[in-house]
Amino acid sequence: AQKVTQAQTEISVVEKEDVTLDCVYETRDTTYYLFWYKQPPSGELVFLIRRNSFDEQNEISGRYSWNFQKSTSSFNFTITASQVVDSAVYFCALSGGSSNTGKLIFGQGTTLQVKP
Amino acid sequence: GAGVSQSPRYKVAKRGQDVALRCDPISGHVSLFWYQQALGQGPEFLTYFQNEAQLDKSGLPSDRFFAERPEGSVSTLKIQRTQQEDSAVYLCASSSRVLETEAFFGQGTRLTVV
Repeated sequence: AQKVTQAQTEISVVEKEDVTLDCVYETRDTTYYLFWYKQPPSGELVFLIRRNSFDEQNEISGRYSWNFQKSTSSFNFTITASQVVDSAVYFCALSGGSSNTGKLIFGQGTTLQVKP
Repeated sequence: GAGVSQSPRYKVAKRGQDVALRCDPISGHVSLFWYQQALGQGPEFLTYFQNEAQLDKSGLPSDRFFAERPEGSVSTLKIQRTQQEDSAVYLCASSSRVLETEAFFGQGTRLTVV
């Protein structure tokens, strides 16, 4: 069975602090994809990143960076110098399997509050 | 439009009433997904369409839930005889190909059953 765990329910930081959101996944598939989505108060899920299971290179995009480690089944997300606009719920998600249709298995989400 | 559009944004239904939720995916997108998001939880998969074919409906919680996409574009999620536990946000997503691409989500329909 596939499962995604985001152990941090809520995180509160002060603006300009760095913050890391944890994501641990479970799957028996050898080919799979990992995602991060942001959900602001408007409700729409905004795509941030997609990684496939064969690419363990870490990625940086502006203030965002992602650390993918297959050895620990983790795909953590770091925001550097956080800003108030980063306040949202962040979801880690997984898709995969021999009959993969692209459907996503989401974690419970981490609510990030960035205070000015 | 440029993105995935869902209507209505909000729906209040009396218990036992039937409801229909609409999703307009991005034009030309092959794949369409429906998810249910309960308060404070992550979205949970309901069903998947590839064009007009419903290839996976394993997430539909009961036979009161029915989805269709007759012409491979607009999709409707119908819930019959609504119950309080159906209260949630229903999210629609579409993607341009079956795999190796991200899904784009609509803003969702918030259903409240009273």
